[in-house]
Amino acid sequence: DGGITQSPKYLFRKEGQNVTLSCEQNLNHDAMYWYRQDPGQGLRLIYYSQIVNDFQKGDIAEGYSVSREKKESFPLTVTSAQKNPTAFYLCASSSRARSGIQYFGAGTRLSVL
Amino acid sequence: QKEVEQDPGPLSVPEGAIVSLNCTYSNSAFQYFMWYRQYSRKGPELLMYTYSSGNKEDGRFTAQVDKSSKYISLFIRDSQPSDSATYLCAMSYSGGSNYKLTFGKGTLLTVNP
Repeated sequence: DGGITQSPKYLFRKEGQNVTLSCEQNLNHDAMYWYRQDPGQGLRLIYYSQIVNDFQKGDIAEGYSVSREKKESFPLTVTSAQKNPTAFYLCASSSRARSGIQYFGAGTRLSVL
Repeated sequence: QKEVEQDPGPLSVPEGAIVSLNCTYSNSAFQYFMWYRQYSRKGPELLMYTYSSGNKEDGRFTAQVDKSSKYISLFIRDSQPSDSATYLCAMSYSGGSNYKLTFGKGTLLTVNP
């Protein structure tokens, strides 16, 4: 089945620790995105990538880093510089052929220990 | 003025009611309009997609776009308890290389049996 797989479903971070959230898609989509969702805040764009080896900052990129070495994969690292990382993180992808429509993974819930 | 405004609710209706969900937007360049449904602790799923103005119907769901008023709506007929979720409107520009979506903050809907 085609889709977007995020792992893990739940993640706990200790103080000063970097953690990496995985996102893999087998939809052959060019573009991939990372969002953060907090209660009452809606979806906020962290980073996005339209092509392999290229990515751009979104609205709240500070404290996060990404890579796009393969078309299928777009991992997100939450660094120790992100002081308030507790949130629901969503990965999405889209195809050039259908402008704008994004398909989402099931999300990763990150909490601080 | 925010680019997309959406009443956060919560909205509570009895089973069988007609539900109307709405978003307003300020940027006339938006051409693609989407509605996503998000169940608690899950990723958003695409519900309806409309290009430019007009109506689109899919079963119990109807999406309407009024570009002259910069107003979009989602109607749910014969609402069911399984429709209880957060509904997010989203929109994007036409073509080009910008695939970013602008989201509303979501409306929480509860359908009571």
